[in-house]
Amino acid sequence: EAGVAQSPRYKIIEKRQSVAFWCNPISGHATLYWYQQILGQGPKLLIQFQNNGVVDDSQLPKDRFSAERLKGVDSTLKIQPAKLEDSAVYLCASSPYLRGAGTGELFFGEGSRLTVL
Amino acid sequence: SQELEQSPQSLIVQEGKNLTINCTSSKTLYGLYWYKQKYGEGLIFLMMLQKGGEEKSHEKITAKLDEKKQQSSLHITASQPSHAGIYLCGAELLNTGNQFYFGTGTSLTVIP
Repeated sequence: EAGVAQSPRYKIIEKRQSVAFWCNPISGHATLYWYQQILGQGPKLLIQFQNNGVVDDSQLPKDRFSAERLKGVDSTLKIQPAKLEDSAVYLCASSPYLRGAGTGELFFGEGSRLTVL
Repeated sequence: SQELEQSPQSLIVQEGKNLTINCTSSKTLYGLYWYKQKYGEGLIFLMMLQKGGEEKSHEKITAKLDEKKQQSSLHITASQPSHAGIYLCGAELLNTGNQFYFGTGTSLTVIP
């Protein structure tokens, strides 16, 4: 079974530029997550989709970050304009479950490492 | 504030030594998950605990859940260099809209 695919693996940009990350979850997985992991910290949830609807985006900095999951499959996370503090690994995860009551593990991609200069 | 706190933040042990990592939640847990992450890579699922008192083992790694204390511990017996990495606990927490939170992480170094 193919895992969660993410691209690009690495991206270096200057502040105020824009960047987009792509995620292809495991086939059939209903729930998709984007996490931001700053060096030395645990992942922080940015946005959670169930099928193509947003379940939670309370921690997404909406003035610069946007995400979409068209047709309930692939997802794109965009940052525009980027700031220095956006330097992090952006992790995409998917799950076959609709969340609630400890329903199962998340499957993670290898992440996209962003460096903002 | 951090919903899931891990301790210690980092650990350096000699190969062959035992070690324990703790994860404490500020809210009621639905389920507690342990993941391992190597530098520059994604998270690898280790195990999931759902019931108070539950204990699971995978090779030399054992995890327990104390539901009353809202705590979980991860114990590694006879550590090896292959155990090195960052250990993260994760959980769904009551009254958080089914968000999946992660702990602060514990960085483990095993010296051969």
